[in-house]
Amino acid sequence: GENVEQHPSTLSVQEGDSAVIKCTYSDSASNYFPWYKQELGKRPQLIIDIRSNVGEKKDQRIAVTLNKTAKHFSLHITETQPEDSAVYFCAASIDTGFQKLVFGTGTRLLVSP
Amino acid sequence: DAGVTQSPTHLIKTRGQQVTLRCSPKSGHDTVSWYQQALGQGPQFIFQYYEEEERQRGNFPDRFSGHQFPNYSSELNVNALLLGDSALYLCASSFSQGGGYGYTFGSGTRLTVV
Repeated sequence: GENVEQHPSTLSVQEGDSAVIKCTYSDSASNYFPWYKQELGKRPQLIIDIRSNVGEKKDQRIAVTLNKTAKHFSLHITETQPEDSAVYFCAASIDTGFQKLVFGTGTRLLVSP
Repeated sequence: DAGVTQSPTHLIKTRGQQVTLRCSPKSGHDTVSWYQQALGQGPQFIFQYYEEEERQRGNFPDRFSGHQFPNYSSELNVNALLLGDSALYLCASSFSQGGGYGYTFGSGTRLTVV
């Protein structure tokens, strides 16, 4: 079955710096890759997603890139702010409408003022 | 527009007991998936319900069972609780014809087994 690895497990940056979180997946049939942000004690919230027919997607300070050949996808956050501090999870699935997400182990991002 | 609601928010049970967790999907959603999130880990897929049937199942034992009702709400039942079942249980709803969009999580039920 699908396996998703996520690095790093923790990431500390200064406010205004960029942060990059990387994931790899094992199942070449996976074609949907969402990223979730989970603040302490709260639900995972979708922040951006990408499908296998595109290589990059941006939404303001957040971008995701996908390399299908290498089975890598990455989350890029620019101009980080303290409110970006949270745990970020990548996930992968085969998008059939009956979505089963396989999650990475998470990255704890700490943005210091 | 209410999102995904789960009850209870917290629960403490003793080993060997049984527990039932409840989930009401977001309005317009017809599919409910359950995930287990152990402390410091990513959510793990338990199973998914659509049209009152279990459509997919993750690598969880038969002690984990579920149900979906005609109004699309769902229950997760866990029998013979083990200490290792302590986790945050997340419900996620989606629309089967949505092509993968709109996968929304509830706030979860924190289960502690003592």
